[in-house]
Amino acid sequence: GQNIDQPTEMTATEGAIVQINCTYQTSGFNGLFWYQQHAGEAPTFLSYNVLDGLEEKGRFSSFLSRSKGYSYLLLKELQMKDSASYLCAVSRPGANNLFFGTGTRLTVIP
Amino acid sequence: SQTIHQWPATLVQPVGSPLSLECTVEGTSNPNLYWYRQAAGRGLQLLFYSVGIGQISSEVPQNLSASRPQDRQFILSSKKLLLSDSGFYLCAWIHTGLGFEAFFGQGTRLTVV
Repeated sequence: GQNIDQPTEMTATEGAIVQINCTYQTSGFNGLFWYQQHAGEAPTFLSYNVLDGLEEKGRFSSFLSRSKGYSYLLLKELQMKDSASYLCAVSRPGANNLFFGTGTRLTVIP
Repeated sequence: SQTIHQWPATLVQPVGSPLSLECTVEGTSNPNLYWYRQAAGRGLQLLFYSVGIGQISSEVPQNLSASRPQDRQFILSSKKLLLSDSGFYLCAWIHTGLGFEAFFGQGTRLTVV
């Protein structure tokens, strides 16, 4: 089985930094993904981690610790357009699927 | 480049009516295709996946069915919709490269009334 946990909602101020955590418990691990989903739209790919450490991509960074079953998505210099849901997803070897968390709804305020 | 087309974007259907949502993929052959449902405030729930023509795997028993009549076509159907079938339906192509990466269609907002 699998269990993926994220906070339900977060609020942060424009220009600030926010960290969205994700913990997972899965039988096997083949990679962790972060997706951004604006209301009423399909998710779009943000990042992929398969090894421990930090992956940086512009204002977004994603961290993974496989031993702790933990990841976070770091958003810097927040903009109003970053208000969205952020989905953590895990892939497992031999499983033709991505297992998604329920998502964290981020609201950026002025 | 790969593209996923999904339609319709929104749909309002009465209880007991049939359903057909269509998804087509361009720019790849023999894709692994998936139907997910996202209820309000919930995560993405896998409904069906298909690794080839006529090959359908169901993850959750329910009032829905899926078919793969062509390599790049994946259809989600129901004979009689229930109120609980309301939600946001997403078709996805999952690329099995170094790991998994999912590309999603635009989604269909289904409201059963």
